[in-house]
Amino acid sequence: QSALTQPASVSGSPGQSITISCTGTSSDVGGYNFVSWYQQHPGKAPKLMIYDVSNRPSGVSNRFSGSKSGNTASLTISGLQAEDEADYYCSSYTTSSSLVFGGGTKLTVL
Amino acid sequence: QVQLVQSGAEVKKPGASVKVSCKASGYTFTSYYMHWVRQAPGQGLEWMGVINPSGGSTSYAQKFQGRVTVTRDTSTSTVYMELSSLRSEDTAVYYCAREGSGLLRWDRLDVWGQGTTVTVSS
Repeated sequence: QSALTQPASVSGSPGQSITISCTGTSSDVGGYNFVSWYQQHPGKAPKLMIYDVSNRPSGVSNRFSGSKSGNTASLTISGLQAEDEADYYCSSYTTSSSLVFGGGTKLTVL
Repeated sequence: QVQLVQSGAEVKKPGASVKVSCKASGYTFTSYYMHWVRQAPGQGLEWMGVINPSGGSTSYAQKFQGRVTVTRDTSTSTVYMELSSLRSEDTAVYYCAREGSGLLRWDRLDVWGQGTTVTVSS
């Protein structure tokens, strides 16, 4: 199972909005609504930010939102803040009854 | 509070096996599936497998079939991941992570352990 495709890096200034894409196939992202997004700061464990494409766990800021169109899922962060600087990973269920992650995107807040 | 506490760092020689533990607390252990995910230095996340702590059934990534075994001990609310025939490429941080829905959908890993560093070196 190949990793989902994410841009290696994105950047934005405080207060701006950015979007991170996550492209798969009809066998994973496009076929199911089991897409999650994780935030990982250096040396820390990943943190769940979005699940089931667009649901936010309690405690996660509403500046984080998720969506999906066809085989591509997206994470949007609005009102960018310095603490949002981290690595972000998408994940999806696959038809082979497994979990596949994206390669990760490094977000830099300028 | 809900937490997963993993065992400490390990250093192993090529060809050896390693067994990492993940002790759950703060919730009903048998009600939530537990996944294992690893991260090699400077690399992304890689799913390894999942266990149903209630019945003990497991599912593994094809890449690790035959080399990984995930088990659980309901008396201590602990899940174990054993990886055999270690090679240098297995050097990574290994995480356990709870699936938050209570179902197996390979989604919504809402609680993560702190990670266990496994170093494979001769």
